[in-house]
Amino acid sequence: NAGVTQTPKFQVLKTGQSMTLQCAQDMNHNSMYWYRQDPGMGLRLIYYSASEGTTDKGEVPNGYNVSRLNKREFSLRLESAAPSQTSVYFCASSTSGGARQPQHFGDGTRLSIL
Amino acid sequence: EDQVTQSPEALRLQEGESSSLNCSYTVSGLRGLFWYRQDPGKGPEFLFTLYSAGEEKEKERLKATLTKKESFLHITAPKPEDSATYLCAVPSTTLTFGSGTRLQVQP
Repeated sequence: NAGVTQTPKFQVLKTGQSMTLQCAQDMNHNSMYWYRQDPGMGLRLIYYSASEGTTDKGEVPNGYNVSRLNKREFSLRLESAAPSQTSVYFCASSTSGGARQPQHFGDGTRLSIL
Repeated sequence: EDQVTQSPEALRLQEGESSSLNCSYTVSGLRGLFWYRQDPGKGPEFLFTLYSAGEEKEKERLKATLTKKESFLHITAPKPEDSATYLCAVPSTTLTFGSGTRLQVQP
């Protein structure tokens, strides 16, 4: 089982460049999430999609946009990358948006912005 | 504001030396608590869900317990392969994660 697949695994960008992080899940989950993980700060929610066709802001949405392409795919876009966006980005999915459902994570995209 | 605090930040054990990790939280109306394991370079891997105070869950050498204010992850006779960062999270609007405990088990 692939579970949650993220691409690319690594990326280096220059300040001001744009890029899209891709995420796909094969578990037929309804809800999907994007987090960033920084040393000492834990996982912070950027955006989430409770179901196909809906998206909502999380704790740290500024500088990001998302698209729920279909039930399987949820992308995260950086329109104009900034050094403060250097981080490890994780995509996750769960059966529903109910807070009591465990989330299942991909292995992350390591993004460096120079 | 919901908060989750994990302690210690780092823990080094000898193989076979049992210990416990702590996760304390302040949430308005607890709706459960999750434990995850994260290996270097990987995403968090789901371990347990605890839904109510007094509940316990076990998996191999790990046992998670929950009270009204905190959760413990007890590690009995750990092995080097148990080395990882352990994260807890509580559901609020979404999930609020602690910063984790980095566990190193030396042979």
